[in-house]
Amino acid sequence: SYVLTQPPSVSVAPGETATITCGGNNIGSESVHWYLQRPGQAPVLVIYYDSDRPSGIPERFSGSKSGNTATLTISRVEAGDEADYYCQVWHANDHVFGIGTRVTVL
Amino acid sequence: EVHLVQSGAEVRKPGESLKISCQVSGYDFTSYWIGWVRQMPGKGLEWMGIIYPGDSDTRYSPSFQGRVTVSADKTTSTAYVHLSSLKASDSAIYYCAKGPPMSPAYFDYWGQGTLVTVSS
Repeated sequence: SYVLTQPPSVSVAPGETATITCGGNNIGSESVHWYLQRPGQAPVLVIYYDSDRPSGIPERFSGSKSGNTATLTISRVEAGDEADYYCQVWHANDHVFGIGTRVTVL
Repeated sequence: EVHLVQSGAEVRKPGESLKISCQVSGYDFTSYWIGWVRQMPGKGLEWMGIIYPGDSDTRYSPSFQGRVTVSADKTTSTAYVHLSSLKASDSAIYYCAKGPPMSPAYFDYWGQGTLVTVSS
């Protein structure tokens, strides 16, 4: 089965940039989607189709993909960005999620 | 405005079964995929299955195939997930989530989650 690899944690100071990676075999041929999940809340879609942003998601959130890695970038990090972040692909009729990356705002 | 409202918390004994509901509003229920996702305590997201209510086309995760049934009632705009032969390890939060137009590729709206506790 398809596997997505994420770092377990990322720490970032307020105002700095957080970078969360998502690796997968030949991920360049997949569409990657990203969610954030704050403690005790349901997930929220923040990026779809690699780099598109749903309405209501701040421009500080951006997505990109290069080689075998997709990346979610959060610019000018705020305390409210502290959450778990998951990448996801729809591969061979199977929704695959990464293990999640906990972003801690220092 | 799109809303997905799930049924309330449940407690079951091992071996029992359970059906969780997800009633939607604010969009055409029959034209978008609805999926189910499990989150065990302190763990990540696991996809279970997905259904297209318009024609009841369903897909299942290999990890849940055979133990989970996803269904939909067009008359009430409600999706269901049925879990059978429950084990303690099925204790988790279960989410329903809506797909985008014309595709099951991702989930753009989520329900609030249903907490399931399986304990003898």
